[in-house]
Amino acid sequence: SQQGEEDPQALSIQEGENATMNCSYKTSINNLQWYRQNSGRGLVHLILIRSNEREKHSGRLRVTLDTSKKSSSLLITASRAADTASYFCATDPTGGFKTIFGAGTRLFVKA
Amino acid sequence: DTEVTQTPKHLVMGMTNKKSLKCEQHMGHRAMYWYKQKAKKPPELMFVYSYEKLSINESVPSRFSPECPNSSLLNLHLHALQPEDSALYLCASSQSSRGLSYNSPLHFGNGTRLTVT
Repeated sequence: SQQGEEDPQALSIQEGENATMNCSYKTSINNLQWYRQNSGRGLVHLILIRSNEREKHSGRLRVTLDTSKKSSSLLITASRAADTASYFCATDPTGGFKTIFGAGTRLFVKA
Repeated sequence: DTEVTQTPKHLVMGMTNKKSLKCEQHMGHRAMYWYKQKAKKPPELMFVYSYEKLSINESVPSRFSPECPNSSLLNLHLHALQPEDSALYLCASSQSSRGLSYNSPLHFGNGTRLTVT
């Protein structure tokens, strides 16, 4: 069963706007990661946030983690058409040996 | 371009065929993975190899047979597949045999698009 659930399932915005995606998970984790997948391609790792961190930045990406609510959010600022992709959160349940992916959010950025 | 190379990019096979998917990485990673992804769904873990030994099999049907000849190569042998096995098959690698437990991200190839007719 999936560890993470994401919302919204799909998001359509104009270029230059910010995009926020949310992820919820069920069990304790060591860390949470976000990946991007362009259509028909492999997944690309974006950012990792450890369970003892609350916020992390990487370029136009900002990730937050609330372990009390078992949730995370990914903010993409000043979006570009090239940001159009599916975004997945992935968790590592404490003591687990496998990565579990959320359902994903499909982001469309209109030029 | 990714550092994990998968071949072929596309494969069409009949239900009686035998074929193999190949994956190669030269990052020195000691864990390698096979994932299956259906359209508009997240990747689902199939197998994990750690130090060339099979460590996780997610109850995958025996018509899928993984093989890890050495630390850089991972194969997936296919035999007597069903049409519902049509999907994108993704290979990944990571530095740690414990996957993300040691904060080691996955590096994915671009996948093999498999169609079973």
